[in-house]
Amino acid sequence: GAGVSQSPRYKVAKRGQDVALRCDPISGHVSLFWYQQALGQGPEFLTYFQNEAQLDKSGLPSDRFFAERPEGSVSTLKIQRTQQEDSAVYLCASSLTDNEQFFGPGTRLTVL
Amino acid sequence: GQQLNQSPQSMFIQEGEDVSMNCTSSSIFNTWLWYKQDPGEGPVLLIALYKAGELTSNGRLTAQFGITRKDSFLNISASIPSDVGIYFCAATQNRDDKIIFGKGTRLHILP
Repeated sequence: GAGVSQSPRYKVAKRGQDVALRCDPISGHVSLFWYQQALGQGPEFLTYFQNEAQLDKSGLPSDRFFAERPEGSVSTLKIQRTQQEDSAVYLCASSLTDNEQFFGPGTRLTVL
Repeated sequence: GQQLNQSPQSMFIQEGEDVSMNCTSSSIFNTWLWYKQDPGEGPVLLIALYKAGELTSNGRLTAQFGITRKDSFLNISASIPSDVGIYFCAATQNRDDKIIFGKGTRLHILP
């Protein structure tokens, strides 16, 4: 497909487990963003990549959250030792430089 | 931190009615955006505004970038059932920048 894809779409984890969420941006898009959307809220910024460089990680809520984009394309958001407050939808967006961000469908993470 | 105050939180309207929602902030932004999010999907951009005072239309949707750069509104005319969903105002300092989102307006259309 031509859009941003994310996998898995749903993830259930036991408290304390590590999880990895994948984002496949639109081909050729330089910029990639991760957002966290809690139930009933708007998305909140987590981190931003330009190609493989992580230029802004000011939104990551704790050092348990880690994101990478080693080849400037696919990105992975990893959450270590998940907690119940990590339950949310994690959205990925990509864009050409200085242009509209296109969002993926998100991964719904539930931590039990 | 920067926050957007979006109102109303929810709206219940009859099909065919016009809808108006707005967003304010204490911070100045250079770009205002309006998104719609359907269940299980990511937000989809409806209208982007890049210039203070700008009024832009997209079909039945009209949005304005406030002259103070601290507010924006979205109007939907002659609502139809597929307009149901959550509408988010959003803003950025620069085009290639993180987006700050409001908390959303949930639009319900009564049968």
